[in-house]
Amino acid sequence: DGGITQSPKYLFRKEGQNVTLSCEQNLNHDAMYWYRQDPGQGLRLIYYSQIVNDFQKGDIAEGYSVSREKKESFPLTVTSAQKNPTAFYLCASLQITGATEAFFGQGTRLTVV
Amino acid sequence: AQSVSQHNHHVILSEAASLELGCNYSYGGTVNLFWYVQYPGQHLQLLLKYFSGDPLVKGIKGFEAEFIKSKFSFNLRKPSVQWSDTAEYFCAVKRRSGGGADGLTFGKGTHLIIQP
Repeated sequence: DGGITQSPKYLFRKEGQNVTLSCEQNLNHDAMYWYRQDPGQGLRLIYYSQIVNDFQKGDIAEGYSVSREKKESFPLTVTSAQKNPTAFYLCASLQITGATEAFFGQGTRLTVV
Repeated sequence: AQSVSQHNHHVILSEAASLELGCNYSYGGTVNLFWYVQYPGQHLQLLLKYFSGDPLVKGIKGFEAEFIKSKFSFNLRKPSVQWSDTAEYFCAVKRRSGGGADGLTFGKGTHLIIQP
């Protein structure tokens, strides 16, 4: 079945450590997105990518980094520079052209301890 | 850049009440419109979508939405809510002409609580 997979579901990190969240899709979608979800703030865009080896900053990119070496994969690294990293992170993919909807992964809940 | 505005951040209703959640967007071109729902502890699911044709679209669980192009609106409705409708609801807009950050924009969400 086609879909989008995020791992892990729960992640704990010590302050000062970098951590990478995985996002893989087998839908052959061009675009992939990372959102951060906090209570009362909806979905805020961190980074997005429309094509392999290219990505753009979203609204809250500071303290995060991404790569898009393969069409299927769009990992997000939460660096130690991110001041408030505890949150729920959602990955989505989307076919850019045509009448399509975005598909979401199940999310990763990151807790900094 | 396009934006999506959801008017109500928190809504509390009693069971069997009627529901309408407002959504307005700013992009003037051709758009696809979506409502997503996130039940407590679960991931985002597509509730309904509009691509073209009949502006009144029906989704899962008795939800419907009406696209009014002249008002740039895509309001979500349900005639009679149930306790199980308690969830976070997100309106989203995708430009038809391309992708990027402007290609998929979400509203801030509406937290709906249904009281028994």
